[in-house]
Amino acid sequence: QSVLTQPPSASGTPGQKVTISCSGSSSNIGSNYVYWYQNLPGTAPKLLIYRNNQRPSGVPDRFSGSRSGTSASLAISGLRSEDEADYYCAAWDASLSAVVFGGGTKLTVL
Amino acid sequence: QITLKESGPTLVKPTQTLTVTCTFSGFSLSTSEVGVAWIRQPPGKALEWLALIYGNDDKRYSPSLKSRLSITKDTSKNQVVLTMTNVDPVDTATYYCAHDSRGYKGFEYWGQGTLVAVSS
Repeated sequence: QSVLTQPPSASGTPGQKVTISCSGSSSNIGSNYVYWYQNLPGTAPKLLIYRNNQRPSGVPDRFSGSRSGTSASLAISGLRSEDEADYYCAAWDASLSAVVFGGGTKLTVL
Repeated sequence: QITLKESGPTLVKPTQTLTVTCTFSGFSLSTSEVGVAWIRQPPGKALEWLALIYGNDDKRYSPSLKSRLSITKDTSKNQVVLTMTNVDPVDTATYYCAHDSRGYKGFEYWGQGTLVAVSS
């Protein structure tokens, strides 16, 4: 059972916009930054979003992040087949003094 | 250019101690603002954060695994070592190390990971 809750799956067709949610609590998302990682099969995770809504250089602006209260979201617009991957949210949890990850969301591009 | 690479055994027997090493380049682990984390991923399962060490030797551990983990650094060798005692088959996973900038950019750089199986 992950501290951060994500839907196990999401899907969309090419060109669509998909949103993945991440629910936490006041000790993690509610008071600390949220990060999003993309995990393609057989490869190391890749940072997509840091500090709630910032993109590292090289990450397309099709990817955007937001945070509201104790929840966060990752939006992917103009969906492409290469976006098919697992997506994880993460945050520092002040109560646990630990980094916590969500359980991951498997995105399927139909 | 920041790079990290994990190394360690591919197979460990139950109850033994697992030691994995992260060798990095492109940064120095000598300030409180820079750290190296260990994260693992069992086959087909989610990412799990294990431990973090910063350049000032500040260490953090996963509460659920704290009693079994130890993280250390060798600044002269640019290495971070994670030790896990009393391993079990559920510890079978790909173990990743990653660069951390004290939460500024999260885990921006990752190693390729090393798969460790725990089996008799």
